[in-house]
Amino acid sequence: GESVGLHLPTLSVQEGDNSIINCAYSNSASDYFIWYKQESGKGPQFIIDIRSNMDKRQGQRVTVLLNKTVKHLSLQIAATQPGDSAVYFCAEPSYGGSQGNLIFGKGTKLSVKP
Amino acid sequence: NAGVTQTPKFRILKIGQSMTLQCAQDMNHNYMYWYRQDPGMGLKLIYYSVGAGITDKGEVPNGYNVSRSTTEDFPLRLELAAPSQTSVYFCASSLRQGFYNEQFFGPGTRLTVL
Repeated sequence: GESVGLHLPTLSVQEGDNSIINCAYSNSASDYFIWYKQESGKGPQFIIDIRSNMDKRQGQRVTVLLNKTVKHLSLQIAATQPGDSAVYFCAEPSYGGSQGNLIFGKGTKLSVKP
Repeated sequence: NAGVTQTPKFRILKIGQSMTLQCAQDMNHNYMYWYRQDPGMGLKLIYYSVGAGITDKGEVPNGYNVSRSTTEDFPLRLELAAPSQTSVYFCASSLRQGFYNEQFFGPGTRLTVL
């Protein structure tokens, strides 16, 4: 079955540096991925998504890279700010019975040092 | 728009008690979801609904029930609360089900069962 997981549970970066959060998936048929940001005490918030016909997609200060060969995607945050401190989840739709519902990874906690 | 709202924010239950977690959205979304998030973990889908009067089980439905009498509201019912149901519960909604949809999340309800 599909699974979405992250390489590291925590990541600490200096303010102003770039952050890279990684995610691996197991289903080679997966064709859509979403990154969510969850601040402490709040619900997840959509950041950016990418379809499998793309290798890269850019948003405001964020870039998602998709490597279908090794089933890996990453979220890059440029010039990381204190407000970026949160848990980041990658997610993909369920390809089983509940089509379109999301399967979430465990999350990576990003801490930004001033 | 208020988006997705949830009440209560916090609740402590004794084993065997029951309660209803309320969820409402004002975005006229047809699709609504209930997730639970255990400490240090990603979100797991409990139930979802594709429209008023239609609900279906997600990944972890045991111990829960839902109803969807209106487009706006999607309450989650816990009968005979158990310690294993201690978690943070998130309600979400989306304009459509299926791929390439963005889910909007509420702020969550933190439930403790003692």
